[in-house]
Amino acid sequence: GAGVSQSPRYKVAKRGQDVALRCDPISGHVSLFWYQQALGQGPEFLTYFQNEAQLDKSGLPSDRFFAERPEGSVSTLKIQRTQQEDSAVYLCASSSGPGQGHEKLFFGSGTQLSVL
Amino acid sequence: AQSVTQPDIHITVSEGASLELRCNYSYGATPYLFWYVQSPGQGLQLLLKYFSGDTLVQGIKGFEAEFKRSQSSFNLRKPSVHWSDAAEYFCATAYSGAGSYQLTFGKGTKLSVIP
Repeated sequence: GAGVSQSPRYKVAKRGQDVALRCDPISGHVSLFWYQQALGQGPEFLTYFQNEAQLDKSGLPSDRFFAERPEGSVSTLKIQRTQQEDSAVYLCASSSGPGQGHEKLFFGSGTQLSVL
Repeated sequence: AQSVTQPDIHITVSEGASLELRCNYSYGATPYLFWYVQSPGQGLQLLLKYFSGDTLVQGIKGFEAEFKRSQSSFNLRKPSVHWSDAAEYFCATAYSGAGSYQLTFGKGTKLSVIP
């Protein structure tokens, strides 16, 4: 596609509910990143994929967070038993290279998650 | 660990006035440095980046930034602000060594433009 696409755009969940957030990166992009942006804060790194391999998940805040990219394209970020502190905008980004720090990232518009 | 500080949470300027947004980083070596802009409901868009070489870098939309190693700063500037520049601006850094990929962002500066 023309850009990074994320769905849904907005998600409201009741506390304790499981949610799944989808990211469609730019076609052919090797690297895919998830970031979490809390209200009034800058984005914070969650996890990174190179093709289907999850090379770094050090930013995932708890074991309730799980991400996958089984075929090296679309990725899903799953949050189990959502808590109010999970409320944030979840941003997906992709790059054409292997994910080195100097590469240009293309960001999606994000999924705004509100946990009630 | 890397960190990025954007001292100004909110700045208001008049259209046509000059703009400078401040960014300070904490890192042992020269990192990769970036400025991103985020408009409401939009994803982050890269304005410019610094890796090495000329310390004054030009970006899109008429923005420029200057890397000053002695001050650990990478301030963003624009000589004449347009109303469409109203948005939130994030400074970010990435480790310049092998195996780097994470971006560390500042908390952002919200820019308001008075017509």
